[in-house]
Amino acid sequence: ILNVEQSPQSLHVQEGDSTNFTCSFPSSNFYALHWYRWETAKSPEALFVMTLNGDEKKKGRISATLNTKEGYSYLYIKGSQPEDSATYLCVLSWEDKIIFGKGTRLHILP
Amino acid sequence: EAQVTQNPRYLITVTGKKLTVTCSQNMNHEYMSWYRQDPGLGLRQIYYSMNVEVTDKGDVPEGYKVSRKEKRNFPLILESPSPNQTSLYFCASSLTGDRGHMETQYFGPGTRLLVL
Repeated sequence: ILNVEQSPQSLHVQEGDSTNFTCSFPSSNFYALHWYRWETAKSPEALFVMTLNGDEKKKGRISATLNTKEGYSYLYIKGSQPEDSATYLCVLSWEDKIIFGKGTRLHILP
Repeated sequence: EAQVTQNPRYLITVTGKKLTVTCSQNMNHEYMSWYRQDPGLGLRQIYYSMNVEVTDKGDVPEGYKVSRKEKRNFPLILESPSPNQTSLYFCASSLTGDRGHMETQYFGPGTRLLVL
């Protein structure tokens, strides 16, 4: 059974601090790696999609890297703000398959 | 405005009473999918469709049906709902990449279903 693992499951970060979390996936099954941001009571919204080993994407204070050979992606948030509180989902897609990680729940402390 | 719409947003029903949750997208996406979200289990795929008249089972298809007669619509049908189908349901759509994989998915607002 293929799995996308995200760690940590939950994270508390002081406002203003930077943080990062990990997504691990089987490196043999890979076409695209997606990161989504999911706020409570809303639907998931796309942050990044990456397809190439070594890809780095950035959107404001949030960035992501991809290593397909070792099967991991990191999501970084610089200078956390209250609006960053959300669940961050990592999703692997290949052929017609899609696998969701269970997410990292980020809480920003004032 | 590019969007995925779902109706109804909230529904309370009783065991065995057939219901349909509609999903529609206006982005001409080939791929559409239904997910359910339950506490501690994350998002699980119910059914998906790679294009018109092409549907396939996801991880948890039991008790559900879908159809894809038109590109824009992908209704989820519960023929005989049961309490274990109480959940939050999301519809999503995306383009498909050149290797047939899903590009970025756009999610609907969710439908919260309670089956008594």
